[in-house]
Amino acid sequence: DAKTTQPTSMDCAEGRAANLPCNHSTISGNEYVYWYRQIHSQGPQYIIHGLKNNETNEMASLIITEDRKSSTLILPHATLRDTAVYYCIVILLGSARQLTFGSGTQLTVLP
Amino acid sequence: DAGVTQSPTHLIKTRGQQVTLRCSPKSGHDTVSWYQQALGQGPQFIFQYYEEEERQRGNFPDRFSGHQFPNYSSELNVNALLLGDSALYLCASSLPGTYSYEQYFGPGTRLTVT
Repeated sequence: DAKTTQPTSMDCAEGRAANLPCNHSTISGNEYVYWYRQIHSQGPQYIIHGLKNNETNEMASLIITEDRKSSTLILPHATLRDTAVYYCIVILLGSARQLTFGSGTQLTVLP
Repeated sequence: DAGVTQSPTHLIKTRGQQVTLRCSPKSGHDTVSWYQQALGQGPQFIFQYYEEEERQRGNFPDRFSGHQFPNYSSELNVNALLLGDSALYLCASSLPGTYSYEQYFGPGTRLTVT
């Protein structure tokens, strides 16, 4: 699976959009981008995933660049409950079934 | 609809002892994965069980073993505990196939080895 690079930490004002970047410059054509988050003292939570098209669900939007070398997770209206560590994971479906978590980005939503 | 449940919540053991952690998957899920999360780090994959067999294993020693029961619940056993085994142990359940990457995690068991 391709390696990912994320900023260590980010702040966001409550009510504003939180844009979390992820670099995956070595991604291959059939590898997907998955996002999870982990709120303090809880298990990780699946957010969204995509291959090359932008994706949106009730939690977030995922924007993947045309060359697929990077992506951005967007929380449109961040709340204090969105404070968490956000993990970007690249996965080749059908390969090893484990999730390989990096260090992630600590997002702090400020009141 | 119950999510993934784990027991116990916290556990304190002594070096050299053995421990068993338990996990019940989300309703409808038949695949269970276990992860170890040391303080300040991301979760590390231990192994995955499907149809009562270990299907995938991470880079963990044989002291770590598991089991899956016919009702899909699972146990993680760790023998000869070391201080370095102190961590949060997470269980995750999923559907098989491509959906196995959308994993639902339990709250974890905090193991402290003294």
